[in-house]
Amino acid sequence: GAGVSQSPSNKVTEKGKDVELRCDPISGHTALYWYRQSLGQGLEFLIYFQGNSAPDKSGLPSDRFSAERTGGSVSTLTIQRTQQEDSAVYLCASSLNRVTTGELFFGEGSRLTVL
Amino acid sequence: AQTVTQSQPEMSVQEAETVTLSCTYDTSENNYYLFWYKQPPSRQMILVIRQEAYKQQNATENRFSVNFQKAAKSFSLKISDSQLGDTAMYFCAFMKHEAASKLTFGTGTRLQVTL
Repeated sequence: GAGVSQSPSNKVTEKGKDVELRCDPISGHTALYWYRQSLGQGLEFLIYFQGNSAPDKSGLPSDRFSAERTGGSVSTLTIQRTQQEDSAVYLCASSLNRVTTGELFFGEGSRLTVL
Repeated sequence: AQTVTQSQPEMSVQEAETVTLSCTYDTSENNYYLFWYKQPPSRQMILVIRQEAYKQQNATENRFSVNFQKAAKSFSLKISDSQLGDTAMYFCAFMKHEAASKLTFGTGTRLQVTL
């Protein structure tokens, strides 16, 4: 697609429910990143994909968080048994090259609110 | 681990004036990239400017320029002839120069351009 597409744009869920957030990167971009942005905070790295593998998942905050990428394209971030502290904007980004020069192309994010 | 510090949570500038946003970072790496990203209310992060650490010349992009002081680990952004459309959050970011690397972001500076 023309840009990085994320869905849903907004999600409100109840504590304890599972949620899935989707990212569709720019066509041909091999690298894909998930970041979390809490209110008033910077961007917190969650996980990085190169193709379908995740060489760096060091930022996932707990085992309730998981992510996968299929076909070297779409990625899904899953949060199980959501907690109120999971409320944040989840941003996805993609880039073209493996040895990237750093230009990440971001989506508009998915705002998650856990009640 | 790398850290990025933005000590100005909020800044204000009048239209057509010049403003400088500060950023410092801490790293033991010698080769890396530094970035400034802009996040308007739409939430989509946009790359403003990029600097490669091995280049002594400061990067410029139209009205945007940086003052890169490698020894001091300082990387400030200067916006000249500020425009209303420059109103946004600005994030400084660091990335190691290696094959699979993530961006580490500061906490951001909210810039308001006023009439």
